[in-house]
Amino acid sequence: DADVTQTPRNRITKTGKRIMLECSQTKGHDRMYWYRQDPGLGLRLIYYSFDVKDINKGEISDGYSVSRQAQAKFSLSLESAIPNQTALYFCATSDLRYSGQGSTGELFFGEGSRLTVL
Amino acid sequence: RKEVEQDPGPFNVPEGATVAFNCTYSNSASQSFFWYRQDCRKEPKLLMSVYSSGNEDGRFTAQLNRASQYISLLIRDSKLSDSATYLCVVKGFQKLVFGTGTRLLVSP
Repeated sequence: DADVTQTPRNRITKTGKRIMLECSQTKGHDRMYWYRQDPGLGLRLIYYSFDVKDINKGEISDGYSVSRQAQAKFSLSLESAIPNQTALYFCATSDLRYSGQGSTGELFFGEGSRLTVL
Repeated sequence: RKEVEQDPGPFNVPEGATVAFNCTYSNSASQSFFWYRQDCRKEPKLLMSVYSSGNEDGRFTAQLNRASQYISLLIRDSKLSDSATYLCVVKGFQKLVFGTGTRLLVSP
């Protein structure tokens, strides 16, 4: 079983609908992230959470919200989906330390959720 | 200017060839550097970290040039299984910035 699990893996929806993407992890990491990937734009950070009580906006948080229900669960919501939110969404975890020195920099990604908004 | 820039490719090489990718970054305060590999429609996975003195992992060699603000990845004796997109990743203050990736296609 995957250490970082995303559901759903694929979703087609219509403009204006509310969508939730869920992520759960068994790695025991405190830090969780949501990214989206678009062709030619690479991976961009939407939101991140360093622990259950900590939520931070990334570079493209507008139109999205998140909830950290537990250490192992981090969900991403699109309150009113629009076509330009069509993308591949990745959840990731890490155990990076604040110092940054000597950290492996390793993010562990889920398999992705492909969202299409019509 | 993008924080991290890569040539998107694709780089088409025959098996056994040596191929190198470069990546430039704009933030001189960047602390750490990495190469990730992403197969088609799959999640990215860490390939290797990049250390100041350069480092090797089998057929893969990574180099960092802080003065010119670029990192490189050299792949020797390319295998068909090396076909993938290689993402350059730069860490600033508590944030990882991903390049858009360089696509490598290794042909028989």
